[in-house]
Amino acid sequence: GQQVMQIPQYQHVQEGEDFTTYCNSSTTLSNIQWYKQRPGGHPVFLIQLVKSGEVKKQKRLTFQFGEAKKNSSLHITATQTTDVGTYFCAGPGYGQNFVFGPGTRLSVLP
Amino acid sequence: DAGITQSPRHKVTETGTPVTLRCHQTENHRYMYWYRQDPGHGLRLIHYSYGVKDTDKGEVSDGYSVSRSKTEDFLLTLESATSSQTSVYFCATGVLGGTDTQYFGPGTRLTVL
Repeated sequence: GQQVMQIPQYQHVQEGEDFTTYCNSSTTLSNIQWYKQRPGGHPVFLIQLVKSGEVKKQKRLTFQFGEAKKNSSLHITATQTTDVGTYFCAGPGYGQNFVFGPGTRLSVLP
Repeated sequence: DAGITQSPRHKVTETGTPVTLRCHQTENHRYMYWYRQDPGHGLRLIHYSYGVKDTDKGEVSDGYSVSRSKTEDFLLTLESATSSQTSVYFCATGVLGGTDTQYFGPGTRLTVL
């Protein structure tokens, strides 16, 4: 079945450093979504990418969708303690459901 | 966030007992999902619904059943709970299914002793 992988699994950074997480799918995706889950919280939608090579920015966050639509990345510039959490990518699966990656847990040291 | 509530928020039960988790939404979203979240596995889909009385299995459906008799309610039942079903369970909703945003509820932490 379809698999979505993410690397790294964990990332520890000093506040102010940059952070990148990568998402790779075993199949071509019609779209990819990114979610953030704060510790003890629930996943919250961040963004959806649809077009090949698409790049979207939200303040310090930059999202990219690969040309082959099988990979994506999330880059955070100058991390802050508020960026702490787990970042998930997700793509359409069989039928009308989703397949989530295992997530990248980001910790930011002040 | 969409108006999604889950009940109970925490539950401790014993192996072999039946357990029902409830998800309630006020957004009139067509799609509803049940996920479990375990360390190292991310979110895994258990079952989902694409309308009243329309449900389908997800990746990890064994040992779980669901029902949706009203648009706003989606129930997840563990017929005979096992320790391997100890997890955090999230309900989610969506308007358009696999091409649309999902909105998650606050989660239910279930412990099976």
